Amino acid sequence: GNSVTQMEGPVTLSEEAFLTINCTYTATGYPSLFWYVQYPGEGLQLLLKATKADDKGSNKGFEATYRKETTSFHLEKGSVQVSDSAVYFCALRGAAGNKLTFGGGTRVLVKP
Amino acid sequence: DAGVIQSPRHEVTEMGQEVTLRCKPISGHNSLFWYRQTMMRGLELLIYFNNNVPIDDSGMPEDRFSAKMPNASFSTLKIQPSEPRDSAVYFCASSFQGTGGNQPQHFGDGTRLSIL
Repeated sequence: GNSVTQMEGPVTLSEEAFLTINCTYTATGYPSLFWYVQYPGEGLQLLLKATKADDKGSNKGFEATYRKETTSFHLEKGSVQVSDSAVYFCALRGAAGNKLTFGGGTRVLVKP
Repeated sequence: DAGVIQSPRHEVTEMGQEVTLRCKPISGHNSLFWYRQTMMRGLELLIYFNNNVPIDDSGMPEDRFSAKMPNASFSTLKIQPSEPRDSAVYFCASSFQGTGGNQPQHFGDGTRLSIL
């Protein structure tokens, strides 16, 4: 079946630091890949997505590239802000379905 | 635009009581999902509907859990009787699934359920 593995947190870093959150997946066919962000007390919000190999999703300074050869979709941001403190979830949707498979989430804490 | 609306935001009740969680999906969306989030198990899909019909309920933990979608704008998740281990945050999400492809899921703010 489908699965998503992402690095465990928490990840603590200073403002303006570079952020990388690793995500790898297992799936048959050609899934779509997503990053969601969850701020405290809120639901998940779609951050970015990529639907085919070599696509790059980007939003709010975050980027992730769909790498089929390494089955990865790592999230990066060049200069984080305190407001980026949240839990980040990597997810995939199978080619034939409507269900999302989520990773376990990575908590990020950015200190001023 | 109104997003996915869940109610109540918080629910505290005693074990054995019936709990009903409600969800209003985004207008025009035809797929609805119920998730449960806990520290131990992360985010779990409980059930999802397409065009008001339950498609996959394999994540529903026990017969104490039931979900309905009587129309395109409303769904309920019911737990009867409730137990302390049901304490979690329950999320509803909706999306549009069409012949041109599936759109991303949009989540509500969740219902934080505490069973004493």
